[in-house]
Formats: sequence, structure tokens, C-alpha cells
Amino acid sequence: AQTVTQSQPEMSVQEAETVTLSCTYDTSESDYYLFWYKQPPSRQMILVIRQEAYKQQNATENRFSVNFQKAAKSFSLKISDSQLGDAAMYFCAWYDMRFGAGTRLTVKP
Amino acid sequence: NAGVTQTPKFRVLKTGQSMTLLCAQDMNHEYMYWYRQDPGMGLRLIHYSVGEGTTAKGEVPDGYNVSRLKKQNFLLGLESAAPSQTSVYFCASSYKSRSGQTFGDTQYFGPGTRLTVL
Repeated sequence: AQTVTQSQPEMSVQEAETVTLSCTYDTSESDYYLFWYKQPPSRQMILVIRQEAYKQQNATENRFSVNFQKAAKSFSLKISDSQLGDAAMYFCAWYDMRFGAGTRLTVKP
Repeated sequence: NAGVTQTPKFRVLKTGQSMTLLCAQDMNHEYMYWYRQDPGMGLRLIHYSVGEGTTAKGEVPDGYNVSRLKKQNFLLGLESAAPSQTSVYFCASSYKSRSGQTFGDTQYFGPGTRLTVL
């Protein structure tokens, strides 16, 4: 079965510091998309960042970037200069609509 | 644009009752999805649709039915509700990925429906 695994149920970071959330997946496909979604306490799911597997360059969106290692099937999310508003559940997701179990990020002031 | 809307936002059912959840999107997306989210777990796909008049089973389809009679609407039905179906239900929609692929791109989510089955 093709799966998406987030091994960190909870993480915490000091405001203005950097944190990395990990995600691994298992697939035999060669071309696919990977996503990180954020779910704040409001419950609304919001896209954070998207990576296309055929692209060599890691995706970046302002303070958010990914470390995509295709051979290792790893897709980690780095949040730089963490802000209080970054506190949320973060879900890694695969193009076939499978989601990881999530990582709860706490930001300490 | 409203994006993706879900009706209702909350619902309480008794075991054995039926109900329909409505999802509507105004972004002209081809793909639509229904997920459930349970505590400590990510989203699990119930059913999805890649176009008007088409539906397909996801990871946890048992006990649910769906219909997509119009491109903008995707309905999720519970014929005989059970306590195990207590959950938060999310609808989402997306464009198809780039030409030549068969999967969807970035999903846009509705606000969710909290369903309790007593």
C-alpha cells in the first residue's frame, strides 16, 4: 500500500526560530505532487506549499520551504522565523488524496 | 467567490437515521472529494469524483453514497447512520493536474461539517 508517514505527532518551536516537520512516503510512481496543508484551530484546511516530483528545485513560499529528496522518499517542511500564527496541525499529503496523521506545532512566545 | 461551501455545519443524528451533506464549489473544478477526520488521524478519503456524473470509492467508502449530478455540487449520503460515523466531514475540490496526468492538483477545502450520531 502506498502510504504517507509523519513521525512527529507534536513539535514545538520558539517564536522567530526555525522548525522542520518530517514526512516520508512510499510509492513506485515517478511523477506526482506532494503537499503540505495547515489546519489552525478554526479547522479550515489551507495549502502551505506544493512540490512537483519532476522538478529538481525545492519549492519555497516566503518563510516556508521544503526539502524534497525523491530517492529517499522524504518531503520535509521547514518554517523559518516562526510566528505565533503558525501554530496549527500540519498535514503532509500525496497526490492520490492520502494524508499523513499530522504534526501539531506549538509556537512559544 | 465563495470557494467551497458545505451544508450543514453541524448535525446530530440518531442511529439509523439518514441524511445528506451538500458540497458546492464555484471555481469550476473538475475534481471533488469527501473526507472524514477523526481525532488523532489525518483525513481519510471516502469518495471522490473526477467529473460530472462520475464517482469513485476512496479509502473508507462503506456506509456512504455520493452523487455528482452537477459539476459544482457533490453530495454525500448516509443511508443508516451509525455511531462509528461520528466525525468531522470535509469536502474539497481541485483542478485536474497538468495535461497528461490523471490526478488532481491543489485541493481547496470547505469549512467542515461536525456530525454526531447518538
